[in-house]
Amino acid sequence: DQQVKQNSPSLSVQEGRISILNCDYTNSMFDYFLWYKKYPAEGPTFLISISSIKDKNEDGRFTVFLNKSAKHLSLHIVPSQPGDSAVYFCAASAWTNAGKSTFGDGTTLTVKP
Amino acid sequence: ETGVTQSPTHLIKTRGQQVTLRCSSQSGHNTVSWYQQALGQGPQFIFQYYREEENGRGNFPPRFSGLQFPNYSSELNVNALELDDSALYLCASSKNENYEQYFGPGTRLTVT
Repeated sequence: DQQVKQNSPSLSVQEGRISILNCDYTNSMFDYFLWYKKYPAEGPTFLISISSIKDKNEDGRFTVFLNKSAKHLSLHIVPSQPGDSAVYFCAASAWTNAGKSTFGDGTTLTVKP
Repeated sequence: ETGVTQSPTHLIKTRGQQVTLRCSSQSGHNTVSWYQQALGQGPQFIFQYYREEENGRGNFPPRFSGLQFPNYSSELNVNALELDDSALYLCASSKNENYEQYFGPGTRLTVT
């Protein structure tokens, strides 16, 4: 049973528009959530995180929203740029398991010029 | 600051053989985690090492084992290789108190 799910394998948006990537989780013990970006032939790169005591965290063009009651989080990228084209992974962990993240299967984002 | 490095980049082994993958953690990091990423899937947590001790393990059989050395570099050993072990193996290092992990580029293992 997959504890972290990214139900959209791919997403295509126009440059300058908003990209919204979604993630659902089932384990109530998860209280720290991360988004990673991965380019081909590279390891995942940390993008942004949020703890369960918050419902929003912003870093430049990237904002993560957390809805604990729905066990749902989303990553917003505004405005989207062609360089944002990559695979985005949602990951979750519990405080007692530092660095032992459970990942979703990823969403491939394509930003068209 | 040197990032996380992994060796080798690619490896081809035969079913039943044994393999050792290596990882050098980022400077100042004392925690190393290993992940297996099958094609089309997200990384799956194998185990974590903190100050040379195993600090948690995912749902992988005992033929997956590891080591962490005093300089915090690490090895992943897989015995009795199976075809399903073919995957990208990722190493990530972190400061124990910080969840932010820094990943290496991975080792692509193919088992034939």
